[in-house]
Amino acid sequence: EADIYQTPRYLVIGTGKKITLECSQTMGHDKMYWYQQDPGMELHLIHYSYGVNSTEKGDLSSESTVSRIRTEHFPLTLESARPSHTSQYLCASSGKGGDSPLHFGNGTRLTVT
Amino acid sequence: QKEVEQDPGPLSVPEGAIVSLNCTYSNSAFQYFMWYRQYSRKGPELLMYTYSSGNKEDGRFTAQVDKSSKYISLFIRDSQPSDSATYLCAMYNAGNMLTFGGGTRLMVKP
Repeated sequence: EADIYQTPRYLVIGTGKKITLECSQTMGHDKMYWYQQDPGMELHLIHYSYGVNSTEKGDLSSESTVSRIRTEHFPLTLESARPSHTSQYLCASSGKGGDSPLHFGNGTRLTVT
Repeated sequence: QKEVEQDPGPLSVPEGAIVSLNCTYSNSAFQYFMWYRQYSRKGPELLMYTYSSGNKEDGRFTAQVDKSSKYISLFIRDSQPSDSATYLCAMYNAGNMLTFGGGTRLMVKP
């Protein structure tokens, strides 16, 4: 079983608040990812990182930002949450090599009121 | 047109049935193929991982890849209510980003 942890699992906050979703992995994986998924819908890549101090935007435009200061930690921040940010946010990681499958955390379900 | 197409379902089968889940893709450079299972309110869980054409079996699950037809399948034998979930296919060529299908929702009725 993959060791990738996301906190909090559920978060309900008001519009305009700053929030940080935490993601940590203990597998020493270089690559980490953030996906956004609405209920019953597809996964959309919003950010990824191939190593410390490396971050890139994904296919889906997002107002969130990420940082990668340590290999095991890849937090996602929303400076000012809006109701349109309501979604599930999934963090994943993968090892070296282009053929390494992704391992996912259980997600953070965010509701912005 | 999406690079990876997957029927969203839902697919409803009785317990014990053989289930066939499928994806088609357009990028002939895809080399690595995965199936993920996602329960409601959980993250996707890696089920099967295959490289190139052929079959791979793991317990009640068999993954099949036909690169000539750009078609992959996941078969579930003796399906159980606990198999009820959304199944996502995913694939990529070495070094590139993973491309997911939209997922098929499966319901196995007791």
